[in-house]
Amino acid sequence: LAKTTQPISMDSYEGQEVNITCSHNNIATNDYITWYQQFPSQGPRFIIQGYKTKVTNEVASLFIPADRKSSTLSLPRVSLSDTAVYYCLVGDGDRLAFGKGNQVVVIP
Amino acid sequence: DTGVSQDPRHKITKRGQNVTFRCDPISEHNRLYWYRQTLGQGPEFLTYFQNEAQLEKSRLLSDRFSAERPKGSFSTLEIQRTEQGDSAMYLCASSLIGQGGSDEQYFGPGTRLTVT
Repeated sequence: LAKTTQPISMDSYEGQEVNITCSHNNIATNDYITWYQQFPSQGPRFIIQGYKTKVTNEVASLFIPADRKSSTLSLPRVSLSDTAVYYCLVGDGDRLAFGKGNQVVVIP
Repeated sequence: DTGVSQDPRHKITKRGQNVTFRCDPISEHNRLYWYRQTLGQGPEFLTYFQNEAQLEKSRLLSDRFSAERPKGSFSTLEIQRTEQGDSAMYLCASSLIGQGGSDEQYFGPGTRLTVT
């Protein structure tokens, strides 16, 4: 399994930038890094995916260092609706392992 | 709405009964995954298909669990002789895997199973 390690939880104030780091020391050469967001009683929702360096879309940025053994999801100017669990995954198919994710709580 | 649908959304059954869940993926997606999620945990991989081929099933939780994807379209997950420990959310996801290896999964809303 392509295991990942994330902080269990973090709090942030509304309007701030939130950075969530994930460790994936056993990432394979062909593995992509994917982040998902999950609200209670819903399925996970794709946020962003990358292979190396930096990827940005309309909701987040993903920073991946040269060794690819970690990655950082950056959420700019979070709002209360960003309160959710965030998962980092590497690889595909049966190598994927979600872990417990990172509970982000946005405080007014 | 991601385009992946699951039916039913909720299922209450008595211990010992069989249950079957259905997943309809995004039509052009060739991969389909099944996961189980319990409270406070991340989704746990069960099995997956590429088109109609089941590529991994050794992580199905027991021989009471089985999955099919006839004709590479919709999929069903069956649990026989349900136990109270089977109570969980069952999630389905689909993706379009190409030569690049990127596997962006789209999840359905899940089926909440309660075994009494």
